Amino acid sequence: EVQLVESGGGLVQPGGSLRLSCAASGFTFSNYAMSWVRQAPGKGLEWVSTISGTGGTTHFTRSVKGRFTISRDNSKNTLSLQMNSLRAEDTAVYYCAKYRSDSGNYNPEFDSWGQGTRVTVSS
Amino acid sequence: EIMMTQSPATLSVSPGETVTLSCRASQNLSTKLAWYQQKAGQAPRLVIYGASARATGVPARFSGSGSGTEFTLTISSLQSEDFAVYYCQQYNEWPPITFGQGTRLEIK
Repeated sequence: EVQLVESGGGLVQPGGSLRLSCAASGFTFSNYAMSWVRQAPGKGLEWVSTISGTGGTTHFTRSVKGRFTISRDNSKNTLSLQMNSLRAEDTAVYYCAKYRSDSGNYNPEFDSWGQGTRVTVSS
Repeated sequence: EIMMTQSPATLSVSPGETVTLSCRASQNLSTKLAWYQQKAGQAPRLVIYGASARATGVPARFSGSGSGTEFTLTISSLQSEDFAVYYCQQYNEWPPITFGQGTRLEIK
């Protein structure tokens, strides 16, 4: 059974930093691209970042580019999101999500999600 | 950036009825569209991918159709567990991956 467990959320002041982690199990982690998707309070889903299975390719939404870094440790089955220069608009529940397919089509169809970790940016 | 527009924002339906949710893209997606179901306090769940393929474990009463810029999700014989918010998501041209704003399906 696929399991994704996020951690690392919390309350941080504007301009601060936070590192989120996602522990994966139940599948061959290195074969799958992974993403972070966030949801602000009472709002819809917003894609944040994606990393390929090898970690060699990353993508970010424009609003976090240069502030957030995505990485993975395939030896530890762990996905991470380093968030710097945090802003109030980064306040959200952050989900890690797994790609459905490990084929080369690299389609971001998210078939498994963690329970989310809450990030609050406020003074 | 491809904009996704879902309609209506809220649908009030009775259990047992059939409902159709709509999603429109600002550009051609071919069939690179997914639907997710999200219940209150829970993570989203993949329902449909490739515009019409049901995800693993999704009941046959869920069906997706469409291509290009117009897509629909139909749920027949609504069950109590189907009442949730549904999001469409495009992945034909990314980054960014974009979601619609959601349609809330509520019990009438």
